Amino acid sequence: LAKTTQPISMDSYEGQEVNITCSHNNIATNDYITWYQQFPSQGPRFIIQGYKTKVTNEVASLFIPADRKSSTLSLPRVSLSDTAVYYCLVGDANTGGFKTIFGAGTRLFVKA
Amino acid sequence: EPEVTQTPSHQVTQMGQEVILRCVPISNHLYFYWYRQILGQKVEFLVSFYNNEISEKSEIFDDQFSVERPDGSNFTLKIRSTKLEDSAMYFCASVRDREIGGNQPQHFGDGTRLSIL
Repeated sequence: LAKTTQPISMDSYEGQEVNITCSHNNIATNDYITWYQQFPSQGPRFIIQGYKTKVTNEVASLFIPADRKSSTLSLPRVSLSDTAVYYCLVGDANTGGFKTIFGAGTRLFVKA
Repeated sequence: EPEVTQTPSHQVTQMGQEVILRCVPISNHLYFYWYRQILGQKVEFLVSFYNNEISEKSEIFDDQFSVERPDGSNFTLKIRSTKLEDSAMYFCASVRDREIGGNQPQHFGDGTRLSIL
């Protein structure tokens, strides 16, 4: 399982774009990159997943460079309600391993 | 959208007692997981379950822990003799299936807060 490294915390203001970068130098060929969001006293919620290049959905974009050794979650125009912990996970559930490893995550604090 | 539901939301138990945490995964999901999160710490994998057997387990998941899917809808985590350090949030998650060449995201419940006195 590839180890991930993220900033411990980030601060932002409402309306700004926030980019959270995750390093995963040992990513394997079959690994996907998945981001989850967790609010206090709630379970993690899936945000976005990608394998390479760029993925966009209604809440975020995920940028993955060609070497796939890092990825950047981009949250456009954050609001106070985006204050949460964001986790980057790397793995492949298809190789028979179902062991999901969460890192420490990035605690995003959005200020008014 | 279908959800993973967990009961109870809060369980208070005396040390040494057995506790069973219950989860109802999304109905057409096939893969099930338990995690725990000690207050202020990261989410820790405990166990994954597929086809009525454990697929993977972590070093945390020792002989005090067991899982089962007793009736095709519930997925339970049992802690046989609870310790103070078992106090944590316990999350259940489920996944629909495995796609060849892809990954299905996990759907999490909102957890059971277990307090051991």
